[in-house]
Amino acid sequence: DGGITQSPKYLFRKEGQNVTLSCEQNLNHDAMYWYRQDPGQGLRLIYYSQIVNDFQKGDIAEGYSVSREKKESFPLTVTSAQKNPTAFYLCASSVQDRLSPRYEQYFGPGTRLTVT
Amino acid sequence: AQSVTQPDIHITVSEGASLELRCNYSYGATPYLFWYVQSPGQGLQLLLKYFSGDTLVQGIKGFEAEFKRSQSSFNLRKPSVHWSDAAEYFCAVVRYSGGYQKVTFGTGTKLQVIP
Repeated sequence: DGGITQSPKYLFRKEGQNVTLSCEQNLNHDAMYWYRQDPGQGLRLIYYSQIVNDFQKGDIAEGYSVSREKKESFPLTVTSAQKNPTAFYLCASSVQDRLSPRYEQYFGPGTRLTVT
Repeated sequence: AQSVTQPDIHITVSEGASLELRCNYSYGATPYLFWYVQSPGQGLQLLLKYFSGDTLVQGIKGFEAEFKRSQSSFNLRKPSVHWSDAAEYFCAVVRYSGGYQKVTFGTGTKLQVIP
């Protein structure tokens, strides 16, 4: 079955530590995205990538970093510079169509990160 | 700038009753509109989408939504709610910006279904 996997589902870290969240897709999508979800705030875009070896900052990129070395993989690192990292993180992918944004995004199951 | 408003944070309905979740958007051009559903602790799943044509769109799980340009609305409906519909629902508007899909999500409506 095609889809997006995120691991681990739950992650606990001490303040001051960097942590990397995994995202893998086998949908053959070019575009991938990372969102942060906090209660009552909907989803906010952290980073996105349209193609391998290229990525762009979203609305709340400060304190985060990403890489896109393979089409299938888009890991997110939450650095110690992120002031409030405890949240639910969602990875998504979609078909990249430069003519129309009509293709929906497919989401992974999410990773809940708790930093204490 | 585009925006999405879901005025109801939380809605409770009885099983078997009808449901309408409200969504209002702000966007200058023809919007691409989506409804997603999220079960607790899970990712989002697409229910339906609108980008042109018939203003009444059908989705999965018996949901439908009607696009009303004059009211800038894209309300989600279901004639008879099942207990398994309890989840959080997100409306989203999408446009193309700088070569990528810029998705703006509403803040969500949490649906509770009582027996």
